[in-house]
Amino acid sequence: AQSVTQLGSHVSVSEGALVLLRCNYSSSVPPYLFWYVQYPNQGLQLLLKYTSAATLVKGINGFEAEFKKSETSFHLTKPSAHMSDAAEYFCAVSVKSSASKIIFGSGTRLSIRP
Amino acid sequence: DAGVIQSPRHEVTEMGQEVTLRCKPISGHDYLFWYRQTMMRGLELLIYFNNNVPIDDSGMPEDRFSAKMPNASFSTLKIQPSEPRDSAVYFCASSLNRAVYFYEQYFGPGTRLTVT
Repeated sequence: AQSVTQLGSHVSVSEGALVLLRCNYSSSVPPYLFWYVQYPNQGLQLLLKYTSAATLVKGINGFEAEFKKSETSFHLTKPSAHMSDAAEYFCAVSVKSSASKIIFGSGTRLSIRP
Repeated sequence: DAGVIQSPRHEVTEMGQEVTLRCKPISGHDYLFWYRQTMMRGLELLIYFNNNVPIDDSGMPEDRFSAKMPNASFSTLKIQPSEPRDSAVYFCASSLNRAVYFYEQYFGPGTRLTVT
């Protein structure tokens, strides 16, 4: 079975600082990995996805994530935080045999300090 | 494309009443998912359909919940009778089951349900 663990339910950074949101996955077969973002009072929106084409994945709004098989990690980063990045971020995993089912992590709320 | 459409966006009802949530998936998508989001339990998958057929309803909390997908462009989630603990945001999502899309799901804006 697949699962993801997000370390830290709440992360707070200053505007302009590095954003690092942590995600570790568990999967017995090569996974597909996703980061979704949820802004207040909105649905989830895909930020980026890893599909085995490249280990460093770039997404929207300057975010990127690196797939590290040896560490079973898929951490999300952004070099410089902006106030508009304040949102809930979800890591998720899927595999080819899952019939389109995606397993979501518990989410990390990102706050940006002025 | 209009994206996934959900209605109503907000619903306030009294305990014991029937509630029906509606979803229109993205045209051409063959998978449809219903999720529930609460502060306590996070994002939970309730049920999902493939080509209008329910595949896995193990996440449906109890018999008060039911879901249908009469055609490829419409699905409903019904709660009868509703209880205060059903208060949550309910999301509908759809996806296209093709390897090239890697099962990416597209979410609707959600329905915020409050049961008093």
